[in-house]
Amino acid sequence: DGGITQSPKYLFRKEGQNVTLSCEQNLNHDAMYWYRQDPGQGLRLIYYSQIVNDFQKGDIAEGYSVSREKKESFPLTVTSAQKNPTAFYLCASCLGYGEKLFFGSGTQLSVL
Amino acid sequence: GENVEQHPSTLSVQEGDSAVIKCTYSDSASNYFPWYKQELGKRPQLIIDIRSNVGEKKDQRIAVTLNKTAKHFSLHITETQPEDSAVYFCAASMGSGGGADGLTFGKGTHLIIQP
Repeated sequence: DGGITQSPKYLFRKEGQNVTLSCEQNLNHDAMYWYRQDPGQGLRLIYYSQIVNDFQKGDIAEGYSVSREKKESFPLTVTSAQKNPTAFYLCASCLGYGEKLFFGSGTQLSVL
Repeated sequence: GENVEQHPSTLSVQEGDSAVIKCTYSDSASNYFPWYKQELGKRPQLIIDIRSNVGEKKDQRIAVTLNKTAKHFSLHITETQPEDSAVYFCAASMGSGGGADGLTFGKGTHLIIQP
């Protein structure tokens, strides 16, 4: 469904714990993105990567980290430094400059 | 950076009537303006987009208009149906797509179609 797979669908984090959200795409897209969605806030860009082994901070990168070791994969780690991590996280990808953005089905992260 | 404002936050219309959602953007360099529809708990889906070299685009019951001078763009849905109920997001990008530094989104409009 859409070629972008996010897992898990639901994730719970304990205090002081790092958690990693998975995003895999089989669309051969060069660019990948992570967005955070809070009720009434729209979607805010956390990190993006336009090519393997390169990534850039978005508007709200503090408390998050990413890697892009493979074209197909762009995992997001929510670190213990992120004090308010409860949100719906969306991964997206696109073929490249000038192309349309497609989203994964999202991961709902909650704090225990 | 770019800032996108979207209004209204909630819009309730009678089934069969038209709905209009408006967005403004701050950066005159933005040149790509997509609209996404998101149903509860699901992923946003692209429904229509417009680039800065055109003023209007239609796709069946959906149309988007762009006024570059005023830096605003609007989504028009005619003959609304129950399945149009969802949250709609506008967005803007300077990369003519998502393949630059991503999209800047508005905060969304919850469209409610009353039977």
